[in-house]
Amino acid sequence: NAGVTQTPKFQVLKTGQSMTLQCAQDMNHNSMYWYRQDPGMGLRLIYYSASEGTTDKGEVPNGYNVSRLNKREFSLRLESAAPSQTSVYFCASREDRRLNQPQHFGDGTRLSIL
Amino acid sequence: QKEVEQDPGPLSVPEGAIVSLNCTYSNSAFQYFMWYRQYSRKGPELLMYTYSSGNKEDGRFTAQVDKSSKYISLFIRDSQPSDSATYLCAMSPNNNDMRFGAGTRLTVKP
Repeated sequence: NAGVTQTPKFQVLKTGQSMTLQCAQDMNHNSMYWYRQDPGMGLRLIYYSASEGTTDKGEVPNGYNVSRLNKREFSLRLESAAPSQTSVYFCASREDRRLNQPQHFGDGTRLSIL
Repeated sequence: QKEVEQDPGPLSVPEGAIVSLNCTYSNSAFQYFMWYRQYSRKGPELLMYTYSSGNKEDGRFTAQVDKSSKYISLFIRDSQPSDSATYLCAMSPNNNDMRFGAGTRLTVKP
């Protein structure tokens, strides 16, 4: 009963390094999301994928790219990490984009950029 | 000014107390309102979902929306130590894109 699985759970990078955060869901959901959570800021949407084969920018997309590899997997890439990208990253999925359906979150990736 | 304002707390109450959590917002287009609960080092989970103004009750939880005042509340009756978590409000104009509050950290002491 895995739900949404994120890897890695923790990572430390140096400024300028690249990294891909992985997310997979086993609930056959159509929509997937990447958020970042910062103290005092709440969750902010980075990118989302309403369905397999589509991706769209959210509120804070700069510095990130995404790939919806298949229905299960949605990855987030930092091409050149910056200290401002230090955050906790959450992946989420939902059956479709309607908000009244539960959005299932992973347990997060804690990323520090030095 | 943030679109969604939420007092970060922390809020500490004794077991059995009634808890009131609140958010204010500035965007009059918001029509869909949600409350999420987030335990430490976990992802948020949806607690309550309401559309437009009014009340919604689910067990010990009641969500209220007052669109005229741009104010939403979550009440927890008979609070339990297991309710200790961070509570996030979220809202949307179109049932798709959400804006979250920063969260209120709640501790319920036995």
